[in-house]
Amino acid sequence: DAGVTQSPTHLIKTRGQQVTLRCSPKSGHDTVSWYQQALGQGPQFIFQYYEEEERQRGNFPDRFSGHQFPNYSSELNVNALLLGDSALYLCASSLGPSGNTIYFGEGSWLTVV
Amino acid sequence: GESVGLHLPTLSVQEGDNSIINCAYSNSASDYFIWYKQESGKGPQFIIDIRSNMDKRQGQRVTVLLNKTVKHLSLQIAATQPGDSAVYFCAENRSGDKIIFGKGTRLHILP
Repeated sequence: DAGVTQSPTHLIKTRGQQVTLRCSPKSGHDTVSWYQQALGQGPQFIFQYYEEEERQRGNFPDRFSGHQFPNYSSELNVNALLLGDSALYLCASSLGPSGNTIYFGEGSWLTVV
Repeated sequence: GESVGLHLPTLSVQEGDNSIINCAYSNSASDYFIWYKQESGKGPQFIIDIRSNMDKRQGQRVTVLLNKTVKHLSLQIAATQPGDSAVYFCAENRSGDKIIFGKGTRLHILP
């Protein structure tokens, strides 16, 4: 039973570039959320996808966008990268959008230079 | 802003002793809390959760206590082992599964 898988594990981008991060939810899960974790901080909620729609959004600018595909996998896109976007980006999945245990992937480390 | 926070950023415990990590929350309407363990370079790992209709829940070597009167919860780890070294987050699951994390407590195990 595969857990939440994310790719790539590490990447380096230049300011102003765009990045796409990918996530496959745990088997049987249909809801995906994305979090940003800066060094030394707790993860911060970016948004949640269920039934291919964004259902909730945290306090992140429109440069952060996402998508969920019919197979429940998801992408996180960040445009016009800033140095401050350097962080660990975590994907989490659950069965249904409310009330069930949420599992996290190992994350994608993004460094913006 | 944050509604959960940990009391101590770092906790050092002798191997074999019990560890107690504390957390406070501010919203009296909060009703679902989770403890996560995050090892270096990895994502948060679910440890145990508790809902507001309970005041205690036990897992394997872990116990979570919830005191709704003072809006406080704690994670107790019995017979702490080297593999327990990690950052521990208490978190609140808001409606719609938005997880609000505290800043975390780093647990050091002393030999």
